[in-house]
Amino acid sequence: AQKITQTQPGMFVQEKEAVTLDCTYDTSDQSYGLFWYKQPSSGEMIFLIYQGSYDEQNATEGRYSLNFQKARKSANLVISASQLGDSAMYFCAMREDLDAGKSTFGDGTTLTVKP
Amino acid sequence: NAGVTQTPKFQVLKTGQSMTLQCAQDMNHNSMYWYRQDPGMGLRLIYYSASEGTTDKGEVPNGYNVSRLNKREFSLRLESAAPSQTSVYFCASSRQGLDDQPQHFGDGTRLSIL
Repeated sequence: AQKITQTQPGMFVQEKEAVTLDCTYDTSDQSYGLFWYKQPSSGEMIFLIYQGSYDEQNATEGRYSLNFQKARKSANLVISASQLGDSAMYFCAMREDLDAGKSTFGDGTTLTVKP
Repeated sequence: NAGVTQTPKFQVLKTGQSMTLQCAQDMNHNSMYWYRQDPGMGLRLIYYSASEGTTDKGEVPNGYNVSRLNKREFSLRLESAAPSQTSVYFCASSRQGLDDQPQHFGDGTRLSIL
């Protein structure tokens, strides 16, 4: 079974609207971290937001928030007030290994913001 | 303000040739990683190094070798390149431990094998 599943290969959103990108994960660990990264067409990987498995509050970072539902093993990214510059590929990742810090990535969702 | 530096940025090889991708970080991170990203896909871990002097296989290690030269540098070697290794390769580094520190990525190496 895949550890990180992003079921939306592509999403469209109108400028200034909110959009939710889905991410479900699979782990038997009690301690883990969830990350979202953005990859614009230029190719670099940009860190957006982090959620720890023990965090009781949903993470927020500017226009980004994470809808964390631990029992459902989901960590959806919400982008509010979409901008044209938000058009990019978005990856959900999970870090289970405390020592090595290595992460498993989903296949990504391509978001296109329409003017 | 360099972060993670990868060289080269682009490379074209012929099948059977060998080459080494270089990666260096200046953030004093213990952990370093090599990923490959195929078109339209996520990142798959090739090898990682949790600390200087240690390396471990990731999800797709076949056809690759790595060297953690020192704390700063982590190189990836293709001994006999194959067309299936055509991909974008990313090096990353991070602090150890479960905290909110993300992985920091280099800009990638676009490798084509003919």
